[in-house]
Amino acid sequence: AQSVSQHNHHVILSEAASLELGCNYSYGGTVNLFWYVQYPGQHLQLLLKYFSGDPLVKGIKGFEAEFIKSKFSFNLRKPSVQWSDTAEYFCAVNAPSASGTYKYIFGTGTRLKVLA
Amino acid sequence: NAGVTQTPKFRILKIGQSMTLQCTQDMNHNYMYWYRQDPGMGLKLIYYSVGAGITDKGEVPNGYNVSRSTTEDFPLRLELAAPSQTSVYFCASSWDSSVLGYEQYFGPGTRLTVT
Repeated sequence: AQSVSQHNHHVILSEAASLELGCNYSYGGTVNLFWYVQYPGQHLQLLLKYFSGDPLVKGIKGFEAEFIKSKFSFNLRKPSVQWSDTAEYFCAVNAPSASGTYKYIFGTGTRLKVLA
Repeated sequence: NAGVTQTPKFRILKIGQSMTLQCTQDMNHNYMYWYRQDPGMGLKLIYYSVGAGITDKGEVPNGYNVSRSTTEDFPLRLELAAPSQTSVYFCASSWDSSVLGYEQYFGPGTRLTVT
């Protein structure tokens, strides 16, 4: 079965530190990859996505992610975090299931806390 | 556009009670989804719909029912509430998810407590 793994469940950083959140998926075919962010008390919002082309994708608020097909990874990065980046981050994959229908699979999320 | 709206925002139920969580989208999306979010567990898909009149089970459908009579509305029904259904419920919608690149749009969530 397809799955998405986020290795870090909780991350605490000081402002201006660099961020990298890991995401690995288990599906060998063509996939769509997404990072969503959930700020405290809010709903999920799209941060960035990859579906084809340049494997380095840039999203909102200075975030970027790199798709490495050989490693089945889609890690999220930001060179310098801010206190306002405190949120929960979800990696997601959209891929065909065994029945042929496309389904979203979300990772378990990473809670990021940025200390001012 | 209001996007995806959900009602109520909060609800407390007693064990065995029933309720319907409402979800409406005004983006003319074909696909709609219901997720539950539990701490440390991420998002689990309960049910989804690929269009009016068509629904299918997700990963954790037991204890829930859905219907999709219109493109806009996708209510989630809990028939006999149990403490295990205490969670935050999110509705989402998207264009055809079989087409590459389409993201999901989420509602604000319903926080449900069953005691």
